[in-house]
Amino acid sequence: ETGVTQTPRHLVMGMTNKKSLKCEQHLGHNAMYWYKQSAKKPLELMFVYSLEERVENNSVPSRFSPECPNSSHLFLHLHTLQPEDSALYLCASSLGTSGRSGELFFGEGSRLTVL
Amino acid sequence: RKEVEQDPGPFNVPEGATVAFNCTYSNSASQSFFWYRQDCRKEPKLLMSVYSSGNEDGRFTAQLNRASQYISLLIRDSKLSDSATYLCVVNMATSGTYKYIFGTGTRLKVLA
Repeated sequence: ETGVTQTPRHLVMGMTNKKSLKCEQHLGHNAMYWYKQSAKKPLELMFVYSLEERVENNSVPSRFSPECPNSSHLFLHLHTLQPEDSALYLCASSLGTSGRSGELFFGEGSRLTVL
Repeated sequence: RKEVEQDPGPFNVPEGATVAFNCTYSNSASQSFFWYRQDCRKEPKLLMSVYSSGNEDGRFTAQLNRASQYISLLIRDSKLSDSATYLCVVNMATSGTYKYIFGTGTRLKVLA
């Protein structure tokens, strides 16, 4: 069993749809992250949660809405997306959010296509 | 200046070659350093953490130079399976919080 699991792995949606991405970590970590990776671009940090509290919102448009009901689960709710939002969305977790929290563990990602 | 900078490559090298990647970071208060490997259309996976004393794992050696603010990755005896994108990651303090900042990645292609 992988430490961080994401569902769905692939998602195709229209611009008027509402969908959600789900992430679950089984590592006992306290911090969870959403990253976006567009084609040929570096990973962009979207949101950081520490102990279920959002500690970072990296100027992400409001059509992306995160939710962290507990330290093991993280959601990304999507609505009225644009085609340029098509990307690989990666969830990650770490021990904490200090400078010495060890490495990031990634899920396999959710590949989103917006038509 | 970007917070974490890498040469995007691609580096095309023959099997058996030695190849080195460098990465520079902007914030001297950075605490932790990592090299990740990312295969096409897959998630990044930790290759190795980087320590001040330098560390080695088989054919891979990582070094940290805090004074010059760069980290390096050396791959010896390259294999075809080493072909991937190598991401430099720095855990640095920005605006009062620590964040994992990724470089753009360096693409390596090992040729038969």
